[in-house]
Amino acid sequence: GAGVSQTPSNKVTEKGKYVELRCDPISGHTALYWYRQSLGQGPEFLIYFQGTGAADDSGLPNDRFFAVRPEGSVSTLKIQRTERGDSAVYLCASSPSGTGDYNEQFFGPGTRLTVL
Amino acid sequence: AQSVTQLGSHVSVSEGALVLLRCNYSSSVPPYLFWYVQYPNQGLQLLLKYTTGATLVKGINGFEAEFKKSETSFHLTKPSAHMSDAAEYFCAVSDLGGSNYKLTFGKGTLLTVNP
Repeated sequence: GAGVSQTPSNKVTEKGKYVELRCDPISGHTALYWYRQSLGQGPEFLIYFQGTGAADDSGLPNDRFFAVRPEGSVSTLKIQRTERGDSAVYLCASSPSGTGDYNEQFFGPGTRLTVL
Repeated sequence: AQSVTQLGSHVSVSEGALVLLRCNYSSSVPPYLFWYVQYPNQGLQLLLKYTTGATLVKGINGFEAEFKKSETSFHLTKPSAHMSDAAEYFCAVSDLGGSNYKLTFGKGTLLTVNP
């Protein structure tokens, strides 16, 4: 079956602009996660959705970052007033559920964001 | 707070040689431990995981890892490297509890396999 997909695969923007990154999880997965991977680093947790609600947004670096999942499926990560330091690969993952015993997280290929 | 240290950002081995990728963690509570592999332009793929039970876990593609609590280690091994093993490998930890969804990753180890 189809895995996690993310669009666009690459995004180049200018400092100060607004960007949206999209994630399509595996069908039926109720849990969705966003991570950010900067150059030379491992992925860092940003936010976790259980259904439509953000159950944990403790990893969002500041209020320029926001994510939504209005229908409990597709999620959009939104970054306002982008800064050069936001340049990274943004990874999305989904799992059957996020509670109880550990559920394997299936990762998408990521969106590479470059802020000039 | 949890943390993961991967010793060696780059490991190079010959085809057929032993692969050993090192991972040490710190966690205030019993952890779940994972190894992921990332091929170029692809998403992270789970190789293996330790949650509870047997401390030697076997994963895909002939990899295995052993959880050693006394050493706070979870090193990844494969007896004989194959060219197709060339990729970046990430060790990760999460809490054995309510926030077990939150993965903390190491910085990764790039494995190259020489013919």
